[in-house]
Amino acid sequence: GAVVSQHPSRVICKSGTSVKIECRSLDFQATTMFWYRQFPKKSLMLMATSNEGSKATYEQGVEKDKFLINHASLTLSTLTVTSAHPEDSSFYICSATGLAGVKELFFGEGSRLTVL
Amino acid sequence: AQSVTQLGSHVSVSEGALVLLRCNYSSSVPPYLFWYVQYPNQGLQLLLKYTSAATLVKGINGFEAEFKKSETSFHLTKPSAHMSDAAEYFCAVSESGNTPLVFGKGTRLSVIA
Repeated sequence: GAVVSQHPSRVICKSGTSVKIECRSLDFQATTMFWYRQFPKKSLMLMATSNEGSKATYEQGVEKDKFLINHASLTLSTLTVTSAHPEDSSFYICSATGLAGVKELFFGEGSRLTVL
Repeated sequence: AQSVTQLGSHVSVSEGALVLLRCNYSSSVPPYLFWYVQYPNQGLQLLLKYTSAATLVKGINGFEAEFKKSETSFHLTKPSAHMSDAAEYFCAVSESGNTPLVFGKGTRLSVIA
């Protein structure tokens, strides 16, 4: 299957700093990427949908100024957690689609953010 | 709107016993249904998916699931549990195969030796 890679897999930062997480589709052009957040021992909640070259569409309750999403190319989407606080600590997972004729989402390995 | 309910946040079985993880869905359109497995601190791995073809879907690692429209269910089964099956399992629904998934809350499977 198609490969989606996230980087970094783990990041620890100080409160107040910004952290960028990358999601790359390695062997296909991802026209659409989805960002999910997973709290400890909880399910995955959709944060936003990003289409290449367009502004991201955020789910209700997700602060777009806090979680900046950029999808500047067909193989890369980034999630930047701005002015991170301990409550932003979570597991962030991206998924991508766009492989021609294939109706399937491909998930990245996830990025664990810990804000001290 | 679509939703998924996974009955039982934690299921414990003995090694070699039948695994049954329950999933019921709600959807206003014919659903696409998925089961994913997640090991600690890892991403999601697709076990199997239902896309309106055969109602009995076979997946990886010996898992299978049956789509029952009348019961709005998509339960996951495996005849004989292995220790390596211990993980978190998520059922998910979407309107098509490449639209955002709505996940259930997950079921943690423990396998006892």
